[in-house]
Formats: sequence, C-alpha cells, structure tokens
Amino acid sequence: AQSVSQHNHHVILSEAASLELGCNYSYGGTVNLFWYVQYPGQHLQLLLKYFSGDPLVKGIKGFEAEFIKSKFSFNLRKPSVQWSDTAEYFCAVFSGNTGKLIFGQGTTLQVKP
Amino acid sequence: DTGVSQNPRHKITKRGQNVTFRCDPISEHNRLYWYRQTLGQGPEFLTYFQNEAQLEKSRLLSDRFSAERPKGSFSTLEIQRTEQGDSAMYLCAVAGELFFGEGSRLTVL
Repeated sequence: AQSVSQHNHHVILSEAASLELGCNYSYGGTVNLFWYVQYPGQHLQLLLKYFSGDPLVKGIKGFEAEFIKSKFSFNLRKPSVQWSDTAEYFCAVFSGNTGKLIFGQGTTLQVKP
Repeated sequence: DTGVSQNPRHKITKRGQNVTFRCDPISEHNRLYWYRQTLGQGPEFLTYFQNEAQLEKSRLLSDRFSAERPKGSFSTLEIQRTEQGDSAMYLCAVAGELFFGEGSRLTVL
C-alpha cells in the first residue's frame, strides 16, 4: 500500500537556521510529489510539486525539495528560515494508478525569533 | 483564492444529528476529493469523484457517510447520526495537484 513517512514530528529552529524536513514514500510506480504548508488557523497551501524532469524543484517563499528516486525521498529544504515559516508541513504523494493523494503525518516547525 | 468554496465553514451539532457539507469548485475540474483532518494529523483520504462517478471510498467512510456529485460540479458530503469521533475538519480538493478549500469544521457535542 502507498504510504508517506515524515521523520521529524516537531522541529524547533532559530531564525536564519537552515531547514531540512525528511519525507520518504513507499510506492513502486510513477508518482507525483508535493509539499504543502498549513499556517496556524489557515488552509493547506501548495509549497511545491514534482511531476517530472529536474529532481530539484523550487517552490514559493524560498523553499526547495529534491526528489531522489533511489531513496524514495523528497526532502524539503530552506537555507534560512524566518519566524513567519512557523507552520505545519505536509509531504504528499499522488499516484496516477490509485488516483489519490496520500499525506504524511506532518511536521510542526517552530521558528524562534 | 483556493479554487474551492466550502460551506458551512463551521458546524456545531449534537450527537445523533445529520450534517451536510457542500463543496463548490470555482472552475470545472474532473476530479474532486474529500479528505478529513484531525488536529495534529495529516489529511486522510475519504473519497473521490471523476465527474459524477464516485471511484473510491476509504474504509474510514462508514455507512453513515455518503457523498454525491450529481452533475459533476459541486459535491456534498453527508454524515448521518453524527458521533463525537466525527469531529474534524472536512476538506474538499480539486484537480491533479489538489487545490484545497478552507474546509468545513465539524464539532459534535
């Protein structure tokens, strides 16, 4: 069965620190990969997505993610976080075969000013 | 603009009552999805439609849950005989990369 695992449940960083959130998925077929962000009290917003091509994708607000097929990973990175990045981050995998998006359990990022 | 409008935004009901949520995509999309999100968890897949056809239902969806998309545009999610465990945010999403609505929060007392 398709599944998504986010290793870090709660991350606390100081402003300007670098961020990397892990995401691994289990599915052998072709997948599309996503990172969503949910700010406190707000709805899910798409940060970035990977469908094909360059495995290093850039999203909004300075975020990027790298798809490593051999490791079934799609880690999210940002060189320097800001207090406004405090939010919950969800990795998700879409399979054309199953037709649905499966989410990881999320990572809560807290950035201290 | 999320591409999806959901109503009501918040519903408080007593256990045993029926509730219905509605999802209106702003533009035409073949696929429409329903998810449920509880506090501190990622969204869980409930069901999805390809036009008016309901293609898959999660095992999370008990017989008390029913979803429809009669004309392939808007969709409704009905929960009958609500239980406290149904309290959650119910999310609607459309299109391949899934633009999510702001959700409908259900509180069952």
